[in-house]
Amino acid sequence: ETGVTQTPRHLVMGMTNKKSLKCEQHLGHNAMYWYKQSAKKPLELMFVYSLEERVENNSVPSRFSPECPNSSHLFLHLHTLQPEDSALYLCASSQEASIATQYFGPGTRLTVL
Amino acid sequence: GNSVTQMEGPVTLSEEAFLTINCTYTATGYPSLFWYVQYPGEGLQLLLKATKADDKGSNKGFEATYRKETTSFHLEKGSVQVSDSAVYFCALRVGDQGGKLIFGQGTELSVKP
Repeated sequence: ETGVTQTPRHLVMGMTNKKSLKCEQHLGHNAMYWYKQSAKKPLELMFVYSLEERVENNSVPSRFSPECPNSSHLFLHLHTLQPEDSALYLCASSQEASIATQYFGPGTRLTVL
Repeated sequence: GNSVTQMEGPVTLSEEAFLTINCTYTATGYPSLFWYVQYPGEGLQLLLKATKADDKGSNKGFEATYRKETTSFHLEKGSVQVSDSAVYFCALRVGDQGGKLIFGQGTELSVKP
């Protein structure tokens, strides 16, 4: 595997379910990001992790809970989501949080019923 | 605040036509500017970037020049191909805000044979 991978690629869940999205980067980077891409809206930055510490939480509801156990892996834990949370969730990584180019994964298409 | 505005799509062109996708920005400080491309079913890929005024980014026949006087970073290509059909995102990053990328809403390009 090379680059940034995300699993699953598609996820359908009910509002009472708990699920997790996984991101893995194979680039040796030390910063990782979660973005939300909704139809007809700009990409929204959700979380930034640098050296496994969260450095930014962009006013994201607590039903989204990120976890970064090491510099290669990033999770987004989901619980009691709303239908408006349906979107494409993109993970990205970069060498450094502040200045380096970000590389994106293919995304997880989430549908909340 | 910082923001990016792109021309609305979809843009439909015939193969070998000239492409321009307009992008203007508002930023405090001195941003770096980016174009990302998202092919169907995939994540975002960096297309080109420019880090200071008058820089020209180029890649795969695409070009964009950082124009500070007009706060613009328009994307151009002299002769588009069907394989260029994708959604194009203009983005900026201000150094004092860490790794935060601010995206425009995206412009869908469809190239017909």
